[in-house]
Amino acid sequence: NAGVTQTPKFQVLKTGQSMTLQCAQDMNHNSMYWYRQDPGMGLRLIYYSASEGTTDKGEVPNGYNVSRLNKREFSLRLESAAPSQTSVYFCASSGEETSLYFSGNTIYFGEGSWLTVV
Amino acid sequence: AQSVTQLDSHVSVSEGTPVLLRCNYSSSYSPSLFWYVQHPNKGLQLLLKYTSAATLVKGINGFEAEFKKSETSFHLTKPSAHMSDAAEYFCVVSARRSQSGTYKYIFGTGTRLKVLA
Repeated sequence: NAGVTQTPKFQVLKTGQSMTLQCAQDMNHNSMYWYRQDPGMGLRLIYYSASEGTTDKGEVPNGYNVSRLNKREFSLRLESAAPSQTSVYFCASSGEETSLYFSGNTIYFGEGSWLTVV
Repeated sequence: AQSVTQLDSHVSVSEGTPVLLRCNYSSSYSPSLFWYVQHPNKGLQLLLKYTSAATLVKGINGFEAEFKKSETSFHLTKPSAHMSDAAEYFCVVSARRSQSGTYKYIFGTGTRLKVLA
């Protein structure tokens, strides 16, 4: 099972360069997310998409743009990379689950993208 | 408002001894609670989630968590630690956003588990 797949795994950028992180999920989930993880800061939400065609800002959206290309894909773009954007980026997805004992959304994560901006 | 507190930032145990990772939550209604594990240079993997089927939840790799509503806790345990359990563990509570109806996830700050040979 692929789950959530994100590329690239590692990337080094120069300050001012642009790049796009790609993410795809094969679980037919409506919601998708981009987080960044930094030492001592935990996981912080950058943007999320509740469904195809919608996107919303999270806690730390500045310097980023996103595109929900279709239900499967959700990309994150850095238009002009800055050293402060050096981080590990995680894409995630979640879908509505309703069973006798659980009603909610479980979030599933990709393997991460390590980005260094020099 | 929902919140989650992981009471220990680091826990060290010897291989073969029990593991206890503590998590307290705050939620105004019946919470959705999860534990995730993150091995070095990997993504977060779901260990287990609370359902109303039972207060003792069994997860992967021998982990369990007990939901105690009176104590607002959801502690993670394992009877016998293995070297491969060394990782960071996150307690997570989720809640619906009131406006959009989508879910938001509140992550604990993580507990780094070290397993000594």
